[in-house]
Amino acid sequence: DTEVTQTPKHLVMGMTNKKSLKCEQHMGHRAMYWYKQKAKKPPELMFVYSYEKLSINESVPSRFSPECPNSSLLNLHLHALQPEDSALYLCASSQGQGPQPQHFGDGTRLSIL
Amino acid sequence: AQKVTQAQTEISVVEKEDVTLDCVYETRDTTYYLFWYKQPPSGELVFLIRRNSFDEQNEISGRYSWNFQKSTSSFNFTITASQVVDSAVYFCAEGGANSKLTFGKGITLSVRP
Repeated sequence: DTEVTQTPKHLVMGMTNKKSLKCEQHMGHRAMYWYKQKAKKPPELMFVYSYEKLSINESVPSRFSPECPNSSLLNLHLHALQPEDSALYLCASSQGQGPQPQHFGDGTRLSIL
Repeated sequence: AQKVTQAQTEISVVEKEDVTLDCVYETRDTTYYLFWYKQPPSGELVFLIRRNSFDEQNEISGRYSWNFQKSTSSFNFTITASQVVDSAVYFCAEGGANSKLTFGKGITLSVRP
């Protein structure tokens, strides 16, 4: 079992739906990340939160909206997604921002119909 | 700009064989960090090791060993006496002072019984 918990594990949604991905860690880490991973590709960084503040946004379309309610939780709100957004979404955390080892969750497999 | 090259895309070995996964990096930073992650079919990335640019000591952890050579900009990973559970995609990555990891394309390792 990983120490970073992501829910749901699988999500199928239509292009007009609104849904949220959730991530939780209880390791006391102060940096949290969202990655997108397409099949047979490496993960691509989307967002970084450090001490609950957004510190990096890799020019992600506004249909993806991150939220960090507290140091243990990270959400990714989804709205009006496109079929090309179908991917594995990975959450990670690290002790702090910087070149720290990142601990990943199992991911949410998202399919857009 | 950082670049990580994993020239091998797929490797297939028979159980108990030794296998080396190659990683070559490019960076203009004088201080940098190198990582290896394992991604089993379940999806999560598992942190294996981090080395900084000032520490060229090779490291051994059980059946795993890493050979860091700045002269050739390489950070190779060897699995001794491979096991079926080693089957996964392995990513080499480079990171600097920020939290961004530059991943290689990954190597799919299949270990046959």
